[in-house]
Amino acid sequence: SQKIEQNSEALNIQEGKTATLTCNYTNYSPAYLQWYRQDPGRGPVFLLLIRENEKEKRKERLKVTFDTTLKQSLFHITASQPADSATYLCALAGDSGAGSYQLTFGKGTKLSVIP
Amino acid sequence: KAGVTQTPRYLIKTRGQQVTLSCSPISGHRSVSWYQQTPGQGLQFLFEYFSETQRNKGNFPGRFSGRQFSNSRSEMNVSTLELGDSALYLCASSLGLPEQFFGPGTRLTVL
Repeated sequence: SQKIEQNSEALNIQEGKTATLTCNYTNYSPAYLQWYRQDPGRGPVFLLLIRENEKEKRKERLKVTFDTTLKQSLFHITASQPADSATYLCALAGDSGAGSYQLTFGKGTKLSVIP
Repeated sequence: KAGVTQTPRYLIKTRGQQVTLSCSPISGHRSVSWYQQTPGQGLQFLFEYFSETQRNKGNFPGRFSGRQFSNSRSEMNVSTLELGDSALYLCASSLGLPEQFFGPGTRLTVL
């Protein structure tokens, strides 16, 4: 069965450093990989999407890499700030056709940025 | 543009009862998906609706059902509630793209 693992349940880093979160998957060939941010008591918020034929995507201080051979994605937040503290979720999506996408989520990594 | 709204935000029910949750997608979004989030299992896909038709279904028992109306609003129903159904139920809408936009969720507690 499909399995997604986000290696750390929790990650603490110092403000200003780069946070690196890992997402590994097995038994799956996703067309897309996405990262979401979730704050306590709120729904996930979409951050970035990367396609299976892309190696890297950037958005402001965020960078995502996607290695389909290793079946791994890395999510980086550079110059981290306390406001970046949240749970980050990795999600895989296959293309069922006709614009239908079913997301499979990892359990998330809780990031704490310490001032 | 208003985001995804879900009502109610909190619900307390007892075992054996049934519950209906409501979701209004972002204007123009015709795809609505439902997810269950628990500390142990994380976010799990329940089902997806598009143009009033269920297009995808996750691995949940038949007690979980849903529907979508012509205005794209969606409801999900859980019958014969069990303690294990206590969870945050999230609705997400999309424009037929992989990115999904989530509502704040309904926190269901089953006693």
